[in-house]
Amino acid sequence: EDQVTQSPEALRLQEGESSSLNCSYTVSGLRGLFWYRQDPGKGPEFLFTLYSAGEEKEKERLKATLTKKESFLHITAPKPEDSATYLCAVQGYSGNTGKLIFGQGTTLQVKP
Amino acid sequence: GAGVSQSPRYKVAKRGQDVALRCDPISGHVSLFWYQQALGQGPEFLTYFQNEAQLDKSGLPSDRFFAERPEGSVSTLKIQRTQQEDSAVYLCASSYGTGLSNTIYFGEGSWLTVV
Repeated sequence: EDQVTQSPEALRLQEGESSSLNCSYTVSGLRGLFWYRQDPGKGPEFLFTLYSAGEEKEKERLKATLTKKESFLHITAPKPEDSATYLCAVQGYSGNTGKLIFGQGTTLQVKP
Repeated sequence: GAGVSQSPRYKVAKRGQDVALRCDPISGHVSLFWYQQALGQGPEFLTYFQNEAQLDKSGLPSDRFFAERPEGSVSTLKIQRTQQEDSAVYLCASSYGTGLSNTIYFGEGSWLTVV
C-alpha cells in the first residue's frame, strides 16, 4: 500500500534560520512526488513535482530533492511569509488514475 | 476560469440533511479529483473523473457519498443523510491531462460542518 510520512509534524524557526522538512514514502512504482503549500483556510498550492531520484528543483527560498525513499524540502533563510503547512504527496503506478497519496503535513512557523 | 472554483465555501448541515458541493474545474481540464481533508490531516482521495467518466471511486467512505460530472466539466459531490464524522473540508482538484505526471491544481475547498 502506498504511504507517505512527513516529519516533523511542526517546526518553529527564527527568521533566517535554515532547515529541512522530510517526506518518507513507500510506493509501488513512483510516477511523481509532489510538494504543496497550504495556508490556513486555503486549498493546497502547487510548489514542485519530482520524478526521479537525484532530481532537484528550486523556487525562491525553497529547494526540493528526491531519493528512492524520501524527499527533502530545504528552506534557506526563511521569512515569516513562509509560515504554512507543507504537504508532500506521491503518485504511483497502481490504479492508473493519477490520484495523490498525501502525508499529514509539516506546519512551519517562522518568527521574525 | 483562472482557477478551480468551489461552492459553497462554507456549509453547516443538520445531521441527516443532504448536501451538494459544486466544483468548477479549470477550463479544458480533463481530470477532476475530489479529496476530503480532516482538521490537521493531509487530504485523502475520494474519487476521480476523466471527462464524464468516473474511473475511480475507491475512496468514497460509504454509499451515502455520490459524485457526478455529467458533461465532463462541472462536478457535484453529494452527501446523503450527513453524519458528524462527515465534517471536513472537501477539496476539488483538476489537471489538464489524464492526471498522470501532470500538475494537479486544487480549489479553496468547501468546509462542511455537520451539527
